[in-house]
Amino acid sequence: DAGVTQSPTHLIKTRGQQVTLRCSPKSGHDTVSWYQQALGQGPQFIFQYYEEEERQRGNFPDRFSGHQFPNYSSELNVNALLLGDSALYLCASSSAGGGRTDTQYFGPGTRLTVL
Amino acid sequence: GIQVEQSPPDLILQEGANSTLRCNFSDSVNNLQWFHQNPWGQLINLFYIPSGTKQNGRLSATTVATERYSLLYISSSQTTDSGVYFCAVFFWWNNAGNMLTFGGGTRLMVKP
Repeated sequence: DAGVTQSPTHLIKTRGQQVTLRCSPKSGHDTVSWYQQALGQGPQFIFQYYEEEERQRGNFPDRFSGHQFPNYSSELNVNALLLGDSALYLCASSSAGGGRTDTQYFGPGTRLTVL
Repeated sequence: GIQVEQSPPDLILQEGANSTLRCNFSDSVNNLQWFHQNPWGQLINLFYIPSGTKQNGRLSATTVATERYSLLYISSSQTTDSGVYFCAVFFWWNNAGNMLTFGGGTRLMVKP
């Protein structure tokens, strides 16, 4: 049973560029959430996708956008990169539409460095 | 939104020692999870524990929902227990999804 997978593992970009990160949920899961973790801090919620729609969004600017595909995989896009976007980006998946009693499982993360 | 505070922020133990990590949260929650983040960044699920007590080997956790706190116990610590421990909670409201709010973490170092 494959867990949550993310690609790429590491990424280096320069300011102003755009980046796309990818996530495949755990088998049987239909809900994908994205989190940003700055160095030395806890993860911060970016947004959640369910049924190919953004269901909930954290306090992140519109430069952060996403997509969910019919196979439940998801992409996170960040435009006009800033130095402050350097972080570990984590994807989490859950089942049953992310219900109130559901457990979230996290992928290994993508470490983004913006120079 | 819900506030989550973890203590202590840093902890250094000698191998074999026991420890207790605390998580306080500011409001009622439907879900509480404990995670261990390894040096490579992977968040590993330890417990899903919105209330009550659970045990898994040398680890156990207790959540007292009415008093809004949870405790993670590590007994007979090993060097492989080193890393950051996070508590995360959410409150299910109006079918809005299960967004997790994380605490700042407890950074644990176990010395041989």
